[in-house]
Amino acid sequence: GAGVSQSPSNKVTEKGKDVELRCDPISGHTALYWYRQSLGQGLEFLIYFQGNSAPDKSGLPSDRFSAERTGGSVSTLTIQRTQQEDSAVYLCASSLGQLGTQYFGPGTRLLVL
Amino acid sequence: GESVGLHLPTLSVQEGDNSIINCAYSNSASDYFIWYKQESGKGPQFIIDIRSNMDKRQGQRVTVLLNKTVKHLSLQIAATQPGDSAVYFCAENRAPGGSYIPTFGRGTSLIVHP
Repeated sequence: GAGVSQSPSNKVTEKGKDVELRCDPISGHTALYWYRQSLGQGLEFLIYFQGNSAPDKSGLPSDRFSAERTGGSVSTLTIQRTQQEDSAVYLCASSLGQLGTQYFGPGTRLLVL
Repeated sequence: GESVGLHLPTLSVQEGDNSIINCAYSNSASDYFIWYKQESGKGPQFIIDIRSNMDKRQGQRVTVLLNKTVKHLSLQIAATQPGDSAVYFCAENRAPGGSYIPTFGRGTSLIVHP
């Protein structure tokens, strides 16, 4: 079956522009996570969706970051007015439940010039 | 010069040796732990997990040991192969307010020499 997919795989943008990153989780997975990974670093939690519950946004670094999940499936992470420090790999993961094994997508590599 | 942040702890081993990757976790309330493998240019891949009511769990060629007293986790890889070369992350899960948000360690780079 299909795994988690993310698009685009690479994104180059100019400072100040908005970007949208997409995640298609595994069908039937109720939990969806967004992480950020800077070069040589671990994964930094951003936001977590579980079913129809309100998302846990405690990891979002600023109000320029937002995410939504439509119909309990596809999720979009939006970064407004991008800054150079936003350059990183953005990873999405989904799991069957909140304690299920997380399956990661390949990530979107964002470069802000 | 290079930023300290770019240097991951590195373990270099010869093919066929056993590898041990260590991880110290921070929260004594964490009750679920996972090891992930991340190859270059890919997302992390689940290897093995362990719950806090266990101190050892074995998979295929891998064993995870949990020492709750000193908050230490280790991943043992038997007969390490070149395909095992990757960055290995441990993650601890806790449930503040009921949602399980994993916290990832910085990672260890495993280099396997043929």
